[in-house]
Amino acid sequence: GQNIDQPTEMTATEGAIVQINCTYQTSGFNGLFWYQQHAGEAPTFLSYNVLDGLEEKGRFSSFLSRSKGYSYLLLKELQMKDSASYLCAVMDSNYQLIWGAGTKLIIKP
Amino acid sequence: ETGVTQTPRHLVMGMTNKKSLKCEQHLGHNAMYWYKQSAKKPLELMFVYNFKEQTENNSVPSRFSPECPNSSHLFLHLHTLQPEDSALYLCASSQAGESSGANVLTFGAGSRLTVL
Repeated sequence: GQNIDQPTEMTATEGAIVQINCTYQTSGFNGLFWYQQHAGEAPTFLSYNVLDGLEEKGRFSSFLSRSKGYSYLLLKELQMKDSASYLCAVMDSNYQLIWGAGTKLIIKP
Repeated sequence: ETGVTQTPRHLVMGMTNKKSLKCEQHLGHNAMYWYKQSAKKPLELMFVYNFKEQTENNSVPSRFSPECPNSSHLFLHLHTLQPEDSALYLCASSQAGESSGANVLTFGAGSRLTVL
């Protein structure tokens, strides 16, 4: 079966760096997405990786290794507003999105 | 209004009630989706409409009935629901293409449904 694994919850300190991992086993691969979802709000698109390597976008970076079935989202200079759930999703060979259960990130002062 | 708008934001209903969830997108997208989000579970795709034609129905019980009258509006009609149907129902839209690798979804804020 198809599966996406990511930690259920993580805690980090304001101003620090945190890395949220995502591992996947899917039928084919057509890209990996990260979304951010604040409590009670809509998930919003953060990043899309289809080639190996690191994509940097401001304080957020996303890394992909297709051979390892692995991605991470790196958040730098953490702010209280970064407290949210982070959803990892992989598009399989049929262009279907397979979702992880999300990682709840708690930022402490 | 911009983006994807869902109404109502909160809904409480009994198992014998009939209600509808509404979604509207103002982005000119050609595909719309209904997802179910339960606590600590992955998003579950329920229905997909591509160019107003339903293209996906992931074994969803018949007590959920979608309707897509045009490319901007999507409804989810609910009747005789069960308590386990209590969840956040998210609508999304995208501009789908043939090789839509980067098919980015724009989500609404969701309708929180509680079935008593």
